[in-house]
Amino acid sequence: GAGVSQSPSNKVTEKGKDVELRCDPISGHTALYWYRQRLGQGLEFLIYFQGNSAPDKSGLPSDRFSAERTGESVSTLTIQRTQQEDSAVYLCASSFPGTSADTQYFGPGTRLTVL
Amino acid sequence: ELKVEQNPLFLSMQEGKNYTIYCNYSTTSDRLYWYRQDPGKSLESLFVLLSNGAVKQEGRLMASLDTKARLSTLHITAAVHDLSATYFCAVDKPGTASKLTFGTGTRLQVTL
Repeated sequence: GAGVSQSPSNKVTEKGKDVELRCDPISGHTALYWYRQRLGQGLEFLIYFQGNSAPDKSGLPSDRFSAERTGESVSTLTIQRTQQEDSAVYLCASSFPGTSADTQYFGPGTRLTVL
Repeated sequence: ELKVEQNPLFLSMQEGKNYTIYCNYSTTSDRLYWYRQDPGKSLESLFVLLSNGAVKQEGRLMASLDTKARLSTLHITAAVHDLSATYFCAVDKPGTASKLTFGTGTRLQVTL
C-alpha cells in the first residue's frame, strides 16, 4: 500500500516569502505529525493532529508557523515570512494510535532552502 | 523536559566487527523506537520496545530496553557495509500522545 507522501520534495525560496508544504498520510492513520530536521541533527517535533481533537502545537517555533489538517487526510504546513534559519528538511509522519506500538511512519520529507 | 542522548555520535567500524550504540533518556517513557536513516532519505522504523527487558532482533541488529536504567542499546553483529546509515532512537513521554523526542543520531560507517 501507499506510504506517507510529501510535496514538494525540494523547495527553494527567498527570505520573506511564504511557503506551503503538503503531507498525505497513510490511509486510515488518524494521527499525523510534523517534524523538522536541521542538517546533521535529530528530529524536532512541530505539531500533532489526532482525529478531530485540537492539534498539539507545542513544538511550533514561532507564530510564523501554522498547520492545518482536513479531517483525517491531507495536512499542510505553512511558514510565513521565511527566514534562513527555517532551512531544514520537514518530515511528516502518520500512525494509527490504536495499536500498542503506535509506530510512526515517515514520509520522504521536503527539503526547504531559504536564500 | 525529556532529553534523549545517543553515543557515540559517529562510529566507523570494519566489516565483521561487533559494536553497540547506546541511547539514554531522562524521564519515564512508555515506548522506545529505533529508526534508520540513509543519506538523503526518510526514516525507516526498525524496532519498537514496549517494556522493561524487551529484546528484539532483525538480522544483524538487536535492540534491548532497560527502563530502570532508562537505557536502550542497539547491538550490531558482524557488521556489513549495507548497515552504513544514521540510527536514531526516540522515546515518547507518557501523556503526550506519542509525541516523539529523538536523539541526535549515530552515524555508522562500515568500511571494507
